[in-house]
Amino acid sequence: EDKVVQSPLSLVVHEGDTVTLNCSYEVTNFRSLLWYKQEKKAPTFLFMLTSSGIEKKSGRLSSILDKKELFSILNITATQTGDSAVYLCAVKGTGFQKLVFGTGTRLLVSP
Amino acid sequence: GAGVSQSPSNKVTEKGKDVELRCDPISGHTALYWYRQSLGQGLEFLIYFQGNSAPDKSGLPSDRFSAERTGGSVSTLTIQRTQQEDSAVYLCASNLLGVGGPDTQYFGPGTRLTVL
Repeated sequence: EDKVVQSPLSLVVHEGDTVTLNCSYEVTNFRSLLWYKQEKKAPTFLFMLTSSGIEKKSGRLSSILDKKELFSILNITATQTGDSAVYLCAVKGTGFQKLVFGTGTRLLVSP
Repeated sequence: GAGVSQSPSNKVTEKGKDVELRCDPISGHTALYWYRQSLGQGLEFLIYFQGNSAPDKSGLPSDRFSAERTGGSVSTLTIQRTQQEDSAVYLCASNLLGVGGPDTQYFGPGTRLTVL
C-alpha cells in the first residue's frame, strides 16, 4: 500500500530558527514528490521533486529528494511567524493520478 | 476563474440529510480531484475526473458518496444520508494533464462539513 509518513507531527520554534521537516514514502513506481503549505484550508504548492529534479530552492525554503532512501526534507531557514502552517508531503506514482498525502507537520513559529 | 472555487465554504447539516458540495476548477483544467481532510489527518483521495468521466473512484468510502462533472468544468460531490463520521473539510483540486508540471494539483479553499 502506498504510504507517506511525516515527522515530526508538530514543531514549535522561535523566529530566526532553521527547521527541517521530514517525509518518508513508499509508492509503487514513484513519479514525483510534492510539498504543500496549508495555512487555513487550501493547500498551496511549494515544490515538486522528481528523478530529474531532486533539489529545489525558493528563497528561504529548500527541499531535497533521496530516491534511494525514499525520503525528502523541507528546510526553512530564518523562520518567520508567517511560516506557521501545516506542511504536507505527497507522492504520486506512475500508475495513478491521485496524490497520496502524509498527515502533515504543524509548524508554529513564535515571535 | 483565477483559482479553484468551492461552495459553500461551510455547511452544517443534520444526520440523515443529503448534502451537495460544488467545485469550480481553474478554467481550462481537464482533471479534477476531490479529497477530504478529517480533523488532524492528511488529505484522503476520493475521486478523480478526466473531462466528464471518472477513471478512479477508488477513494469513495461508501455508496452514499457520489460525484459528477458536467461540461468538463463544474463538479458536484453528493453525500446521501449523512453520518457524523462524514464531518470533514472537503477539498477540490484541478490540473491540466499533459502540459508541463502535470503532477501539481491546485486546491480550492474547501467546504467544511459538520454533521450534527
